[in-house]
Amino acid sequence: EPEVTQTPSHQVTQMGQEVILRCVPISNHLYFYWYRQILGQKVEFLVSFYNNEISEKSEIFDDQFSVERPDGSNFTLKIRSTKLEDSAMYFCASSHRTSGSTETQYFGPGTRLLVL
Amino acid sequence: QQQVKQSPQSLIVQKGGISIINCAYENTAFDYFPWYQQFPGKGPALLIAIRPDVSEKKEGRFTISFNKSAKQFSLHIMDSQPGDSATYFCAASMKGGATNKLIFGTGTLLAVQP
Repeated sequence: EPEVTQTPSHQVTQMGQEVILRCVPISNHLYFYWYRQILGQKVEFLVSFYNNEISEKSEIFDDQFSVERPDGSNFTLKIRSTKLEDSAMYFCASSHRTSGSTETQYFGPGTRLLVL
Repeated sequence: QQQVKQSPQSLIVQKGGISIINCAYENTAFDYFPWYQQFPGKGPALLIAIRPDVSEKKEGRFTISFNKSAKQFSLHIMDSQPGDSATYFCAASMKGGATNKLIFGTGTLLAVQP
């Protein structure tokens, strides 16, 4: 069964450093999302991406964040200058729409980011 | 308005019992209500979902009950098994833009005791 993959599974970085989290969505999906989950808390929406541009972003997704689909398969989240509070599990999700407008988002296993 | 409230925070059920998790929302523009199951160290996985034009949806041991007038929906797990022990999140989304972000509840940690 196709699945969303994410790399790396864990990332430890120093505050102020740049990190790039990578995702390979399911191949025929057109809609892409990043969510994050701070330890023990709920999953929060960060940004959605469709047709090579950001569709929607949350207030969390400030100028330090950016997303890119550099080729036909990868979808990346970059944090330019990490802060301690960026420590979280980051999930990529992808979806496609059926004729009835039903959209199921499939989540990857996540990247656990620890900022020291 | 964008929140989804979920309860209880944690739940302990005996094997074979019924697990019930409740969610409530305010925004009547929400039109899709999925439940996700998450095991430790894994990403959320879709369990079952419902649209507000039906009051109940059943898939195997999992049932969503939906009360549109009360703006509430719940997940029932019948004959709960130890393998069901996980965190369950309700969520909601609405049509409107090109993409449909999910608004998640705070999660319920379910422990099914053998």
